Amino acid sequence: EVQLVESGGGLVQPGGSLRLSCAASGFTFSSYSMNWVRQAPGKGLEWVSYISTASGTIHYADSVKGRFTISRDNAKNSLYLQMNSLRDEDTAVYYCARKNYWSASAYFDCWGQGTPVTVSS
Amino acid sequence: EIVMTQSPATLSVSPGERATLSCRASQSVSSNLAWYQQKPGQAPRLLIYDASTRATGIPARFSGSGSGTEFILTISSLQSEDFADYYCQQYNNWPPWTFGQGTKVEIK
Repeated sequence: EVQLVESGGGLVQPGGSLRLSCAASGFTFSSYSMNWVRQAPGKGLEWVSYISTASGTIHYADSVKGRFTISRDNAKNSLYLQMNSLRDEDTAVYYCARKNYWSASAYFDCWGQGTPVTVSS
Repeated sequence: EIVMTQSPATLSVSPGERATLSCRASQSVSSNLAWYQQKPGQAPRLLIYDASTRATGIPARFSGSGSGTEFILTISSLQSEDFADYYCQQYNNWPPWTFGQGTKVEIK
């Protein structure tokens, strides 16, 4: 069974840092590009960051550029998101999402259950 | 950045009735559009990709249509488990991937 399990969320003060993890199982992790997507309370979905299979290509949303760092460890079947200089507006549930295998169709075909991040003093 | 606009924000439908959800792109996305379903407290689930192809395991009552800038998700006969939030997403020009603001399908 394909599974993505996020962890690492929690309560952090503004300006603080947090590192999210996403453990993948049931598929060849190293063959898939991965993403982080977030959802603020009561709001819609916002794409955050993308990383290609061998980490050669990385993209960030403008809202997190310079503060967040995406990475992966294919040997550990894991995806990470290092979040620094956190702001109130970063409060959200963070999902890891697998990009479809075929590069021509870049939709997200599998999602984790999410980990909540609350930025508050 | 391509802006995705969904309408209506909320759709009230009786079980067994047909639901029609709309998604509009600020510029052409060809057929590079997906629909996701999200139930409260759950992760989004892929329903439709390439505008009209149902994902694995998705019932035939879900159908997608459109291309360019106008897209439709139709649920032919609403079941109790279909009451949820629905999001469209374009993947024609990325990054960024952009989502609509969502349509909530509620019981009438």
